[in-house]
Amino acid sequence: ETGVTQTPRHLVMGMTNKKSLKCEQHLGHNAMYWYKQSAKKPLELMFVYNFKEQTENNSVPSRFSPECPNSSHLFLHLHTLQPEDSALYLCASSQDRSSGYNEQFFGPGTRLTVL
Amino acid sequence: GQSLEQPSEVTAVEGAIVQINCTYQTSGFYGLSWYQQHDGGAPTFLSYNALDGLEETGRFSSFLSRSDSYGYLLLQELQMKDSASYFCAVRGQDNAGNMLTFGGGTRLMVKP
Repeated sequence: ETGVTQTPRHLVMGMTNKKSLKCEQHLGHNAMYWYKQSAKKPLELMFVYNFKEQTENNSVPSRFSPECPNSSHLFLHLHTLQPEDSALYLCASSQDRSSGYNEQFFGPGTRLTVL
Repeated sequence: GQSLEQPSEVTAVEGAIVQINCTYQTSGFYGLSWYQQHDGGAPTFLSYNALDGLEETGRFSSFLSRSDSYGYLLLQELQMKDSASYFCAVRGQDNAGNMLTFGGGTRLMVKP
């Protein structure tokens, strides 16, 4: 595997379900990000982890819970979501969030549909 | 806060040149990035401008004017495969390091 991978690629869940999205980066990066991409809206940053520490929570509802067990893996735990949470969830990584600009490498995303 | 404006859609013909503009408002500014995203695909990095001027990478160039809070992406010798969405993103004072605020994206359609 190379680059940034995400599983599953598609997910359909009911509002009472609990599910998790997984992201793995094979680039040796130290920063990882979760974004939400809804139709006709800009990419919205949700969470940032740098060296496994959460450094940003962009006012995301608590029904989204991130977890970063190590620099290569990032999870997004989903619980009691709403239909408006249906979107493409993108994971990205970069070398380091603090040492000047480094391009972000994105995974292919998980297309989430909440019924 | 930060906001970015870019056209929602642009259409051009194969072989032509197209310019996608981006204006931004930020409380501070470190640089402007451009990303490309094909339908169903992941955004991929195209360029980053921290200083005024034009950066050229093959058929794509990116320009920044910090005094005008303005930048553009220039695509030359358009090919069908260039049909995609293009996003500008700022790295501003509220977004230290690599945190980015993205514009709404410009959908480029290249016609034969």
